[in-house]
Amino acid sequence: GDSVTQMEGPVTLSEEAFLTINCTYTATGYPSLFWYVQYPGEGLQLLLKATKADDKGSNKGFEATYRKETTSFHLEKGSVQVSDSAVYFCALSGPGQNFVFGPGTRLSVLP
Amino acid sequence: DAMVIQNPRYQVTQFGKPVTLSCSQTLNHNVMYWYQQKSSQAPKLLFHYYDKDFNNEADTPDNFQSRRPNTSFCFLDIRSPGLGDAAMYLCATSRGRGAGEETQYFGPGTRLLVL
Repeated sequence: GDSVTQMEGPVTLSEEAFLTINCTYTATGYPSLFWYVQYPGEGLQLLLKATKADDKGSNKGFEATYRKETTSFHLEKGSVQVSDSAVYFCALSGPGQNFVFGPGTRLSVLP
Repeated sequence: DAMVIQNPRYQVTQFGKPVTLSCSQTLNHNVMYWYQQKSSQAPKLLFHYYDKDFNNEADTPDNFQSRRPNTSFCFLDIRSPGLGDAAMYLCATSRGRGAGEETQYFGPGTRLLVL
């Protein structure tokens, strides 16, 4: 079945550091790919998405590119802030199918 | 702003005492989902409604039930909560289940504590 693998962390960075959170997937067909962010005690918020190969999703300084050849959707941000501290979930969804989430990556950004 | 609302944000219940969690949406989406999430693990889908059609996940315990009386509201009923049911319960909606419609929008969650 479909699956998502992501680095589990925790990832600890200093403010203004470069962030990469790796996400790779296994899927039949051509799923849509998502990154969600969850702040402490809150629900999941859609961060960005991409629906086809080579699409780049971007939002709030975060970017991820749908790479079909490497089955990856790595999340990047050039300069993280303390307020980016959260858990990040990579997910995929095929037409008519349930979401498949990765295990989540906890990010802590230190001032 | 269009949104997904969950009430209450925190719910305390006693072992074995039925509890109902509620979700409402102003997005006018066709699909509503209920997830269980423990300790920042990935959310686990319990069931979803596509309009009035109920779709239960195979491993969802019978203790969990759901109702969707209209497009805007969906309820999660836990008939006899056990200690293992303490978790965050997340409601989500999507416009549909097909390509381009599947993006899910989540509410803030209800944290359930079972004493």
